[in-house]
Amino acid sequence: QKEVEQDPGPLSVPEGAIVSLNCTYSNSAFQYFMWYRQYSRKGPELLMYTYSSGNKEDGRFTAQVDKSSKYISLFIRDSQPSDSATYLCAMSEIGGGFKTIFGAGTRLFVKA
Amino acid sequence: DAGVTQSPTHLIKTRGQQVTLRCSPKSGHDTVSWYQQALGQGPQFIFQYYEEEERQRGNFPDRFSGHQFPNYSSELNVNALLLGDSALYLCASSGGTEAFFGQGTRLTVV
Repeated sequence: QKEVEQDPGPLSVPEGAIVSLNCTYSNSAFQYFMWYRQYSRKGPELLMYTYSSGNKEDGRFTAQVDKSSKYISLFIRDSQPSDSATYLCAMSEIGGGFKTIFGAGTRLFVKA
Repeated sequence: DAGVTQSPTHLIKTRGQQVTLRCSPKSGHDTVSWYQQALGQGPQFIFQYYEEEERQRGNFPDRFSGHQFPNYSSELNVNALLLGDSALYLCASSGGTEAFFGQGTRLTVV
């Protein structure tokens, strides 16, 4: 069993839709949870960074962490074609760039 | 303010050769981590450098080695290249809680 499970998709939605992306994990020691966006042939770009359980909102993006269920989510409101990318969940036991475990990434396509 | 920069962008090597990849961290960051990302997969942690020492290491063989310089820049060395080493190699720098990635070096082993 992988430490972090993420549905690879692809996920195709119409422009303006609400997108829900999810990951589950098995290591209860994870404390820091991240979402990265990666465009084709580019490096991952940090979208959201959350410590422990709870919600965090930034513009059209909302990250949720439920440590009791070992489940994290990223919601994208009013999705745009420019949101089309691969979304990677990531988590670590210690912050500060310590060993981070990534999911395989979910490919998202937003159709105009 | 330049972000994380990596060089070269692409390179092609022959099986059995050795390769060195370079990374300059974001200004103010003192910690550098290296990741390998195979096609269609998430990045996998290779190792992390802090204060010129390897602080953490993932499940990669000794063929993978690194170095950090006093100016915090870093190198990743891979010896005896295998076809399976073909991947995007990513450098991430951090100076606190968050880590930021460079654009990566795409290594092709033929």
